[in-house]
Amino acid sequence: AQSVTQLDSHVSVSEGTPVLLRCNYSSSYSPSLFWYVQHPNKGLQLLLKYTSAATLVKGINGFEAEFKKSETSFHLTKPSAHMSDAAEYFCVVSEVDNAGNMLTFGGGTRLMVKP
Amino acid sequence: GAVVSQHPSWVICKSGTSVKIECRSLDFQATTMFWYRQFPKQSLMLMATSNEGSKATYEQGVEKDKFLINHASLTLSTLTVTSAHPEDSSFYICSASTGSNEQFFGPGTRLTVL
Repeated sequence: AQSVTQLDSHVSVSEGTPVLLRCNYSSSYSPSLFWYVQHPNKGLQLLLKYTSAATLVKGINGFEAEFKKSETSFHLTKPSAHMSDAAEYFCVVSEVDNAGNMLTFGGGTRLMVKP
Repeated sequence: GAVVSQHPSWVICKSGTSVKIECRSLDFQATTMFWYRQFPKQSLMLMATSNEGSKATYEQGVEKDKFLINHASLTLSTLTVTSAHPEDSSFYICSASTGSNEQFFGPGTRLTVL
């Protein structure tokens, strides 16, 4: 069974400062991991994904995440926050089992950016 | 590429009526489509998984007679909320997969039941 824990339900940063959104996972197999962003009343937009290639994954809008197997973590970072980054962020783990492709979502982290 | 659309984007209906939501993969064939429900300020919860031409597999606690899913083609799945009630008001999101480990998400449909 797989699970995802986003350690912070809310994160608040000032514009121009670094962003860190934490995610820990558990998986029975070699997982694929994703970060999605959701702006209010909008669908999900894929930021980046890890699929067993390079452990440091670069995504859109300056975001990146590092897969650390020893720590079972996949934290999302950005060097400098922008006001437009304020949104809900979901860490997602994917496994392909006998039932097919299953995604498990973390509880989400709401990022607030102060001017 | 890999664009998924949903229609309508927002629907308001009276209690007791049925509402149909469409999910389309616009530029690829989706062997599997998924339906999620998201309550305000919460994460997405998988409702059901459907493969083209076969019955949907519902998650525990999801009433299959209330949430009818049809996956008639490789590019279209529909979710019908039957006899909708205010507690069915939610954000419904579909996704589509080609069988790989990635799902492509639609923009969501907000259902408000009065």
